[in-house]
This record gives sequence, structure tokens and C-alpha cells, in this order.
Amino acid sequence: KAGVTQTPRYLIKTRGQQVTLSCSPISGHRSVSWYQQTPGQGLQFLFEYFSETQRNKGNFPGRFSGRQFSNSRSEMNVSTLELGDSALYLCASSSSGTNTEAFFGQGTRLTVV
Amino acid sequence: GNSVTQMEGPVTLSEEAFLTINCTYTATGYPSLFWYVQYPGEGLQLLLKATKADDKGSNKGFEATYRKETTSFHLEKGSVQVSDSAVYFCALDSGAGSYQLTFGKGTKLSVIP
Repeated sequence: KAGVTQTPRYLIKTRGQQVTLSCSPISGHRSVSWYQQTPGQGLQFLFEYFSETQRNKGNFPGRFSGRQFSNSRSEMNVSTLELGDSALYLCASSSSGTNTEAFFGQGTRLTVV
Repeated sequence: GNSVTQMEGPVTLSEEAFLTINCTYTATGYPSLFWYVQYPGEGLQLLLKATKADDKGSNKGFEATYRKETTSFHLEKGSVQVSDSAVYFCALDSGAGSYQLTFGKGTKLSVIP
């Protein structure tokens, strides 16, 4: 079956702009999580959605937001971009979201200039 | 809070050498433990997991045992190959409604012929 699909793969944005990233989970998976990966901080949890409800949120400013649609596809939005937002953003899907295997997409590489 | 500590890398080994990557954790309750692997330009792939104390996860020649008494989940492989070169991440899911993975910083492994 198809894996987790993230679009776009690469993005270059200017400081102050906003950006929307998309994630299509594996068919049948209802949990989608987002992570930010940087060389300095490693992998940090952003938020998790299940059946259109946010169940958990990491320690990120309000500029980072997300949502999930009825078909389980998810988007995350970052407003007022800062240079420090440059990172690889990874999406993961799982059947239930806890203690089960999370399948990761290839990520979206965001560069803020 | 939850945390995962991995041995610092990078680690460079010759082909057929024995591999150990240390991982210790701090968590409340009874977490599930995971090893993920990330190849260049890719997302994360689950390598193995263990969900309770004394469980041994294994896959592709890699093994790790959940040791509650030492809060450890060390990754081992008896004979590494060049194709094992990647970054390895130890992670935990504390369950109890957390719906998130907490990752270590990652250990880069390079295997030379």
C-alpha cells in the first residue's frame, strides 16, 4: 500500500511569510503527527491529530498550527516565518497514535531566507 | 518529563564489526521503546520495538532488549554491513494518552569496507 506522502518536498520562503505543508497518511490510519527536525534540536514533536481532533501539542509557539480533515489528510501552517524555522518537517501516521508503529513520510525541507 | 539519551556519534566501524549504540531513557509509567533508522534524504523507518520489560525487539540482524531495571534499550548487531550506514534514533512513547514519540539526538553510523 502507498506510504505517507508529504508535499512539497522542498520549499524556500522569505522571513515574515507563511507556509502550509501537507501530509497524506497511509490509507486507514487516523492518527497523524508532525515533527520538526533540526541539527541542533533533533526531532521535536509539534502536534498530533486523530479523527480531526488535536490530542496533543508540543512546546512550539502559536505561529505553528495544524488541522486534520475528514479523510485524515493533515496540514500544518507556520505563519510569520523566522530563520530558525528552517528545518525538515516530518509527518507520521499510525492506526491509533500510541504504542503502535508510526510510519514516516520523507519530509518537507523548509528553508527560510 | 520524558527524555532519551543516546551515545554521541559519529560511529565509524569496519564491515563485519560488532555494533552497540547505547540508549537510556527517563519516563513515567511503562513506555514503549523504539529504534528508528534514517537513511540520507529519507524519513524515519521503524527498525524494531519493545512494549514491555524484558521484551527483545529484533529485525534485519539488529536487536535491543527492554531493561527496566537499568532504563536502557541498547541497539546491537553482530556484523554490520556498508548498507547499515545511517542515523539511528532511540525513541519512547510513554502511552497514557501522550500520543507522541520522544527521540534521542540520533547516532550517525558509518560502515567502511
